[in-house]
Amino acid sequence: EAQVTQNPRYLITVTGKKLTVTCSQNMNHEYMSWYRQDPGLGLRQIYYSMNVEVTDKGDVPEGYKVSRKEKRNFPLILESPSPNQTSLYFCASSIKRTSEQFFGPGTRLTVL
Amino acid sequence: QKEVEQDPGPLSVPEGAIVSLNCTYSNSAFQYFMWYRQYSRKGPELLMYTYSSGNKEDGRFTAQVDKSSKYISLFIRDSQPSDSATYLCAMSDLYGGATNKLIFGTGTLLAVQP
Repeated sequence: EAQVTQNPRYLITVTGKKLTVTCSQNMNHEYMSWYRQDPGLGLRQIYYSMNVEVTDKGDVPEGYKVSRKEKRNFPLILESPSPNQTSLYFCASSIKRTSEQFFGPGTRLTVL
Repeated sequence: QKEVEQDPGPLSVPEGAIVSLNCTYSNSAFQYFMWYRQYSRKGPELLMYTYSSGNKEDGRFTAQVDKSSKYISLFIRDSQPSDSATYLCAMSDLYGGATNKLIFGTGTLLAVQP
């Protein structure tokens, strides 16, 4: 089944404790993005990647890092999480820039 | 002012009703317009996409774009309880532009009562 998977689905952590949210797609897509979804603000792009080893900032990149060492994986790294990063995170992928984006199931992160 | 404005609802309708969902936007460079459906605890899934102005129909769903008014709509005919979800409008200047980014509305929560 073609899909985007994210792990973990739920995470509660404390300020300053490094964490990684994994994202993997099995559709051989070139483009991958991370979004965060907050009430009243909608979905906002954090980072995107056009291919292996090619990443760039979206609208709200502060406090986040990403890497793209393999085509299928696009982890989101929070080196020192803070409470304002409490949010619902989605990974998305598409076969090329001008095609439908497929979203993962989301990761609900709470930073205490 | 946000680039995309969407009434958050909630919108509650009886089964079988016609539902109208709307978004307005301010960036005249937007050319691609999409509607995503998001069920609780799930990721958004694409329902409809249209390019520039005009209508597009797919089953019970019709998407309309009026670029002159910077206004897009999604109509759902014969609404079903399974249509209960949050509906997100999204748009871009070149189906994602250089960053593959979509600009989303905040979503409208729809509840279809049996």
